[in-house]
Amino acid sequence: GQQLNQSPQSMFIQEGEDVSMNCTSSSIFNTWLWYKQEPGEGPVLLIALYKAGELTSNGRLTAQFGITRKDSFLNISASIPSDVGIYFCAGPPTGNQFYFGTGTSLTVIP
Amino acid sequence: DAGVTQSPTHLIKTRGQQVTLRCSPKSGHDTVSWYQQALGQGPQFIFQYYEEEERQRGNFPDRFSGHQFPNYSSELNVNALLLGDSALYLCASSLRGAPNQPQHFGDGTRLSIL
Repeated sequence: GQQLNQSPQSMFIQEGEDVSMNCTSSSIFNTWLWYKQEPGEGPVLLIALYKAGELTSNGRLTAQFGITRKDSFLNISASIPSDVGIYFCAGPPTGNQFYFGTGTSLTVIP
Repeated sequence: DAGVTQSPTHLIKTRGQQVTLRCSPKSGHDTVSWYQQALGQGPQFIFQYYEEEERQRGNFPDRFSGHQFPNYSSELNVNALLLGDSALYLCASSLRGAPNQPQHFGDGTRLSIL
């Protein structure tokens, strides 16, 4: 099946620091999505990307659709404690079947 | 505007039993997808329903089946439960007429198999 690899697997950072994470796939994607999941909840959509090279922001979050269409990046600026959670990339390489990455767990130390 | 709702929140079953999970999509959505999320992993696609038919299926055995009703709500049925079926089951909804549009998730049903 489709493999989406995220790195790093986990991050422990100080409040106020910037965060960078990425996601790579073995296939070309036409859409990249970034979700955040907190304990006991379902994933919540953060950013959607639809075009290679696209750079989209949502508050302190910025995501980019890689030019090769096989990768995507998520940056969080000036992290705060409520940024804690697991961040997943996802997308449909073909059809309507969405694949999710392995996740990046973020811990913010006040 | 109601989001995706799932019931029950938690469920405990024993091996060999059968279970039915329920999902109501976000208002305005007509497509429902089901995912299984094991502890520490990302969601894995089970199948997708629209127009009351299964349209796409992931790599899951036919012990996993579903149904979609005319009001777009959906059920996930799992027969002959195994210990490995213990997971968070997530429902996501979207609009079929908008390909690649993001899916919106419910908070899931936590299924524990004893």
